[in-house]
Amino acid sequence: DGGITQSPKYLFRKEGQNVTLSCEQNLNHDAMYWYRQDPGQGLRLIYYSQIVNDFQKGDIAEGYSVSREKKESFPLTVTSAQKNPTAFYLCASSKGGGNQPQHFGDGTRLSIL
Amino acid sequence: LAKTTQPISMDSYEGQEVNITCSHNNIATNDYITWYQQFPSQGPRFIIQGYKTKVTNEVASLFIPADRKSSTLSLPRVSLSDTAVYYCLVGDEGGGADGLTFGKGTHLIIQP
Repeated sequence: DGGITQSPKYLFRKEGQNVTLSCEQNLNHDAMYWYRQDPGQGLRLIYYSQIVNDFQKGDIAEGYSVSREKKESFPLTVTSAQKNPTAFYLCASSKGGGNQPQHFGDGTRLSIL
Repeated sequence: LAKTTQPISMDSYEGQEVNITCSHNNIATNDYITWYQQFPSQGPRFIIQGYKTKVTNEVASLFIPADRKSSTLSLPRVSLSDTAVYYCLVGDEGGGADGLTFGKGTHLIIQP
């Protein structure tokens, strides 16, 4: 089955540590996205990539970094510079950018120990 | 950037038709309207997309008036499992971050 896979489902981080969240898709989609969701809130865009080796900052990119070396993979690193990293992180992909329907993974819930 | 406005929450009962309206007064000529559904601790799921008039699929209908400044998602005969948050997005195919703002959505609660 085609889809988008995020791992791990739950992740714990100590203060001062960097952690990387995995996102893989086998839908052959060009565009991929990372969102952050806080309790009771909507999704906020962190980074997006419309093509391999290219990505752009979203609304809340500070404290995060990404890479897009392969079409099917778009890992997100939450750095120690992100002072409030506890949140639900969602990865998505779409055939193209803009209004193309996005397919989402099941998310990674990150907590600080 | 076309901003959207939706009610924060709505209540209804099983078997009823539910209509959720989204306002997008600044919609641009090339913008499409897309609706997503999200259950707790899951990623949003695409429901329906349209440009004008009416679009219908197996789960919902989308009504868009001629001026396109609003749209209405219609869920026929809802069940308890339709309790979720519904998001309205507006964007064009030109890419970029425009149209990728989900907002807080509408929390729909279906009661027995």
